[in-house]
Amino acid sequence: NAGVMQNPRHLVRRRGQEARLRCSPMKGHSHVYWYRQLPEEGLKFMVYLQKENIIDESGMPKERFSAEFPKEGPSILRIQQVVRGDSAAYFCASSPKPGSNTGELFFGEGSRLTVL
Amino acid sequence: DQQVKQNSPSLSVQEGRISILNCDYTNSMFDYFLWYKKYPAEGPTFLISISSIKDKNEDGRFTVFLNKSAKHLSLHIVPSQPGDSAVYFCAARANDYKLSFGAGTTVTVRA
Repeated sequence: NAGVMQNPRHLVRRRGQEARLRCSPMKGHSHVYWYRQLPEEGLKFMVYLQKENIIDESGMPKERFSAEFPKEGPSILRIQQVVRGDSAAYFCASSPKPGSNTGELFFGEGSRLTVL
Repeated sequence: DQQVKQNSPSLSVQEGRISILNCDYTNSMFDYFLWYKKYPAEGPTFLISISSIKDKNEDGRFTVFLNKSAKHLSLHIVPSQPGDSAVYFCAARANDYKLSFGAGTTVTVRA
């Protein structure tokens, strides 16, 4: 049973370019979450999606960031016009349903974005 | 605002001894607490959890204690092993899907 798959694992972009990070949840999971980890900090919630729906994007910066989880294919986190402060590790997690009995999320290995 | 705090960024312990990791929280609505373990260049993996209706949960070498009145929880690892060297994140949930994480504690187990 494959885990949460994220790609690319590493991405380098110059300021002003676009970054696209992809996440395929675990088989059977229809709930996807994106978290961001800045250096020396814990993971911060960004967005929660179900298929074709954004449920909660309260942790997303108001500009330049967007996320989607289409009916077919992986979830995409898109960052337009990247700036140096966007450099971070972006983790995707999935769960079979929200607020499950264990509250456990299954995380991918992360995508590390470096903005030059 | 930082609702979950891990005030010790690092912990060094000798192999075979006990590791105690601490975590404090401010949100009284949190009803479920989890510990995640993370190796470098990998994603966090679930370790152990506890519901707010309990004060202790044990799983092998790992025990989590919850003191609701003090808004404090701790993770005990005994005996510590070299493979336990990792970053440990405390996380909490307030009856929904969103986890709030602490900044992590890096544990180093010395041989």
